[in-house]
Amino acid sequence: EEQLVESGGGLVQPGGSLRLSCAVSGFTFSRDWMSWVRQAPGKGLEWVAIINQDGSEKYYVDSVKGRFTISRDNAKNSLHLQMNSLRAEEEAIYYCARVLINYYDSSGWEGYFDYWGQGTLVTVSS
Amino acid sequence: SYELTQPPSVSVSPGQTARITCSGDALPRKYAYWYQQKSGQAPVLVIYEDRKRPSGIPERFSGSSSGTMATLTISGAQVEDEADYYCYSIDSSGSRGVFGGGTKLTVL
Repeated sequence: EEQLVESGGGLVQPGGSLRLSCAVSGFTFSRDWMSWVRQAPGKGLEWVAIINQDGSEKYYVDSVKGRFTISRDNAKNSLHLQMNSLRAEEEAIYYCARVLINYYDSSGWEGYFDYWGQGTLVTVSS
Repeated sequence: SYELTQPPSVSVSPGQTARITCSGDALPRKYAYWYQQKSGQAPVLVIYEDRKRPSGIPERFSGSSSGTMATLTISGAQVEDEADYYCYSIDSSGSRGVFGGGTKLTVL
């Protein structure tokens, strides 16, 4: 059975940093693209970042570029999101998700999320 | 930045057909995907590549896409279908995923 378990959420002050992790089991992690999606309290879903199988390709939503870094450790079946300079409006549940890629080429990528974790809550407050 | 537009809410009686729309300029060239999210739970994929249904999703869920609009149809909606529904696609640059704002479906 496919399992994705996020950890690392918690309370952080505005401007602070946090590193989220996602432990994966039940599928061959190293073969799949992975992504982070977040959801502010009472709000909709927002795609945050995506990484390819070996970590050589990464894409981000514009609002987090330069502050967030997605990474992975295929030896440990784990996905990470390093979040720096956090803002109050980034308080959210952060989900990791497996990506099924339809295509990837010089024109970009297209994929969607089939397995999701239950999320980890990040609270940004002083 | 690219946006997908959904109605905030749709309401139907049990057994009726619910239709939730999603509009976006890149939809003629990009697939639409649909997620169901019940309160306190992670999203669940209900339609992929405009009209395909994952295994385990009831047949009453169907999808279509024409021009700049994608539609999720729930034929014979049931009380257990009450949830928030999100469309998802990729922007025209092919570098960013985008979710619609979500539609709250009420079945009562």
